[in-house]
Amino acid sequence: EDQVTQSPEALRLQEGESSSLNCSYTVSGLRGLFWYRQDPGKGPEFLFTLYSAGEEKEKERLKATLTKKESFLHITAPKPEDSATYLCAVLQNTGNQFYFGTGTSLTVIP
Amino acid sequence: GAVVSQHPSWVICKSGTSVKIECRSLDFQATTMFWYRQFPKQSLMLMATSNEGSKATYEQGVEKDKFLINHASLTLSTLTVTSAHPEDSSFYICSASLFSYEQYFGPGTRLTVT
Repeated sequence: EDQVTQSPEALRLQEGESSSLNCSYTVSGLRGLFWYRQDPGKGPEFLFTLYSAGEEKEKERLKATLTKKESFLHITAPKPEDSATYLCAVLQNTGNQFYFGTGTSLTVIP
Repeated sequence: GAVVSQHPSWVICKSGTSVKIECRSLDFQATTMFWYRQFPKQSLMLMATSNEGSKATYEQGVEKDKFLINHASLTLSTLTVTSAHPEDSSFYICSASLFSYEQYFGPGTRLTVT
């Protein structure tokens, strides 16, 4: 069965303490992997799309990487405003349905 | 970036009534729109996929007669929750897809059925 698993479920960091979030997937035939940020009571905000293994994308303190089995979202020197739930989703070659992970809730403490 | 709006942002209704939620893509024409629901501290669950001018495709377990989806134009899709009950209370989120498979999400609608 196709699955998207995110770890850890929750992460607390001190401001400036870098870390990584993991998204493992087992879908057959990946068309794309997507990272979103979701604040409480709001819709997900698009961050990155990765299409092939080895690809990397950066935006401010965030960097997303992709292998054939997983993706990492690296957060460098996080700030309290980076606190949110980070969701990853995968899109298969067949169809247009996104499979979402359950997210990682990140809290950055000042 | 692409902007998607939803209206209303929150709604409270009585059990047995119907509620309509609008989803609009403001600065692009969406080939496909998606409707999700999200329970507290859980991820998004896809309810249905709709393409402009055609019937929506519902996911398994989602009642098409209860959750009516209309996709009348390339910028507007509506979700109507018919004869709402307390168990329908949830956070409903739409998304719109541009040609590059990326989905852009609306801000969500909080539905509370009393």
